[in-house]
Amino acid sequence: EAEVAQSPRYKITEKSQAVAFWCDPISGHATLYWYRQILGQGPELLVQFQDESVVDDSQLPKDRFSAERLKGVDSTLKIQPAELGDSAMYLCASSLLPATDTQYFGPGTRLTVL
Amino acid sequence: AQSVTQLDSQVPVFEEAPVELRCNYSSSVSVYLFWYVQYPNQGLQLLLKYLSGSTLVKGINGFEAEFNKSQTSFHLRKPSVHISDTAEYFCAVTRTGANNLFFGTGTRLTVIP
Repeated sequence: EAEVAQSPRYKITEKSQAVAFWCDPISGHATLYWYRQILGQGPELLVQFQDESVVDDSQLPKDRFSAERLKGVDSTLKIQPAELGDSAMYLCASSLLPATDTQYFGPGTRLTVL
Repeated sequence: AQSVTQLDSQVPVFEEAPVELRCNYSSSVSVYLFWYVQYPNQGLQLLLKYLSGSTLVKGINGFEAEFNKSQTSFHLRKPSVHISDTAEYFCAVTRTGANNLFFGTGTRLTVIP
């Protein structure tokens, strides 16, 4: 069964350092999402791509976060510089279509900022 | 704007007992509703969704949910839980014309042997 791949699974960094997360969606899925999940809360959308275009990045802290999906396949989420408050699980999901179509989630990257 | 409220942050239940996890939504337009499950150290997995049609929706692992428009609810139920059902459960909502989902804060279900 096809799965969404994410790496690394765990990342520990010091504040002010740069970090990057990678996501490879299920083949053929045009829609890709990055979520941030703080411990004890539900996932919060950071950015949504349709193919290589950003559809929604209204909740992305653009002064320090960036995301790209250059060829409309895999995607990278970057934080520079990392802050203590960025410690969270970063989840990637993909779907064939946006909104009502089933989203398939990767295992996530747990980020700890010291 | 749409949102969901999960009224219980934690629900302990004995094995083989029934369980109901509550979810209420707020939206001024037609909505689509979802339940996702998250096992420890894993991503989320879809349990079931309501898009249209029958208000009783059956999902995987023996779970079902009922869409109640008058009460703006979409509660999740299972008649007999197993130890393996221990996980975090998230209710989510979207609406016509929206691009993405809004998740609730989650309910941690703990099944006690």
